[in-house]
Parts: sequence; structure tokens; C-alpha cells
Amino acid sequence: DAKTTQPNSMESNEEEPVHLPCNHSTISGTDYIHWYRQLPSQGPEYVIHGLTSNVNNRMASLAIAEDRKSSTLILHRATLRDAAVYYCILRDSVDSSYKLIFGSGTRLLVRP
Amino acid sequence: KAGVTQTPRYLIKTRGQQVTLSCSPISGHRSVSWYQQTPGQGLQFLFEYFSETQRNKGNFPGRFSGRQFSNSRSEMNVSTLELGDSALYLCASSASGGAGHTQYFGPGTRLTVL
Repeated sequence: DAKTTQPNSMESNEEEPVHLPCNHSTISGTDYIHWYRQLPSQGPEYVIHGLTSNVNNRMASLAIAEDRKSSTLILHRATLRDAAVYYCILRDSVDSSYKLIFGSGTRLLVRP
Repeated sequence: KAGVTQTPRYLIKTRGQQVTLSCSPISGHRSVSWYQQTPGQGLQFLFEYFSETQRNKGNFPGRFSGRQFSNSRSEMNVSTLELGDSALYLCASSASGGAGHTQYFGPGTRLTVL
């Protein structure tokens, strides 16, 4: 499974945008980029995923570099509820089984 | 639609005992995966079941086993418990599989081994 690299922690002010980076220089052409987050005392929850094009949903946006070696999760207006550990994960589309390889993620602190 | 449910939520066992954890996936989901989360190792994949068959397995000793029933409910079993097995055990379900699908996680079972 391809490896991802994320900063250990980031801080943001409430109601400001947050850009969470992820490097995945060894990504293959069949790898999807998934983002999950884990709020305190909860199981991880799905945030967004994409393959090549930028993606938007109600929670966030995913910006994927043209060479796909990096991506950025964008929270448009951070709230206190967004304080969590964010995981960037690569999923091989060739593999039909479901196996997520979690790294250490980025711990996001949101200041009121 | 109800989410993924796990029972029990908390469990205390002693070394050498065995334990069985249960997971009920979201209705219609056929894939169930199990993960172990510890402060030292983070989130680690244990195994995945799809249509009652183990489809993928992580790097854990044979003391960790699982099964899936025809209604997609899943159980995992840990035999001969060790102190290091103390962890949060998370179950996740997915509609089928494939990289385009997402997993939905339950709240976890907190296992403490004394």
C-alpha cells in the first residue's frame, strides 16, 4: 500500500478556512485518495475522496495536484466541531477488498 | 438508516481469557472490517469479511479471528488475552468494496485486559 505523509498537527481559528496537506509521491494510477477524520472518543468518519479531479461535498473540498503526488483537504470555515485527527489514505481501485491503512494523521486544533 | 452498532461498548477481561466482540453493519452492507486502535500503534487493520468470507487480513497473530454471518453481522474473537490487547476495537461496514466506496465506522468496543 502506498504511503502518505501528513503534518503531525495544525492549528486554525474558528470560522477561518483550513488547508490540510497530504503528500503521496508514490501514488499509482489506480489509487483513490480518501480522507477520514476521527473526532474525540468516536470512530473515524468519512470526509471525502477523489481520483484525479477536485471534489466538493457538504463537508469539505479536495484539491488534487495535477501530478497526483499531493492533495489538500479544505475546510472552508472551521468550527470547533472540526477539531479532530484527519487521515489521508490511498485506496487501490484494483483491490476489491476493503482495507484502510491509517497513518498517524494530522491533529487539527481549532481556536475559538 | 441506523449506523454501525457494536456490542459491548466496554469490556474488562483478565490475561488468558478470551473475548468475543460483535458488530452489526448498516442494513444492506455486505463488507465488514475490523480495526484495532492503540495509542502506540494507531489504527491497524485486522481483517475484512464479505459475504461470509474473509477477503483480507492484517498482520496480527492467529489469536485474533473473526467470522461473518449470513445477515452480514460479524464477530471477532481474541483468545488467550494479553495485556497488549487492550485497545479500542472498531468495526466498519461498506456497501461492497472497491476504492470508490466509503466505510462507515461504529463507535468501537473498549477492551481492557488486566
